[in-house]
Amino acid sequence: DQQVKQNSPSLSVQEGRISILNCDYTNSMFDYFLWYKKYPAEGPTFLISISSIKDKNEDGRFTVFLNKSAKHLSLHIVPSQPGDSAVYFCAALNQAGTALIFGKGTTLSVSS
Amino acid sequence: NAGVMQNPRHLVRRRGQEARLRCSPMKGHSHVYWYRQLPEEGLKFMVYLQKENIIDESGMPKERFSAEFPKEGPSILRIQQVVRGDSAAYFCASSPDKNSPLHFGNGTRLTVT
Repeated sequence: DQQVKQNSPSLSVQEGRISILNCDYTNSMFDYFLWYKKYPAEGPTFLISISSIKDKNEDGRFTVFLNKSAKHLSLHIVPSQPGDSAVYFCAALNQAGTALIFGKGTTLSVSS
Repeated sequence: NAGVMQNPRHLVRRRGQEARLRCSPMKGHSHVYWYRQLPEEGLKFMVYLQKENIIDESGMPKERFSAEFPKEGPSILRIQQVVRGDSAAYFCASSPDKNSPLHFGNGTRLTVT
């Protein structure tokens, strides 16, 4: 039973446009969420996080939005760049605070 | 400042052999986590350790798998009597404290033949 779901396996975007990656979760007790980016043959790299006391967090070109009532979060990248092409994982911190629960990832391709 | 170091990068074992995966956390990090990624899947939590202590091993298979993080030296994930289903990428991550984002190593790709 997947607690964190990324329903779009892939997304293609043109350079300069906005990329929107979506993530849904099932456990309303989750209160801390993170996005990681992963290139082939490398480990995931932390991008941005958000606590449930906020509905938005911004860091440069990356913004994460959290809709607690819908149990949904999204990552916006604007403007998208070819170097952003990677697999993006959404993760939620479990209630014990000891483990991240990851979605299956969305592969983003940004074309120039 | 070196990142999380994992070795070997690639490991091939025959069914029934043992696999030992090593992880050196970032300098100053005393929290270590192991995750496994099967093909076409996300990362699955296995175990969370602090120096000499296992904090959460709820993701570890009940048999054949063990992990340690001794006072000196790297963290070790040990898989005894490997089977083909153990083939996966194993990632180690570390953090300076429980509340900080995890820093991941580049993983060990285990192939069981």
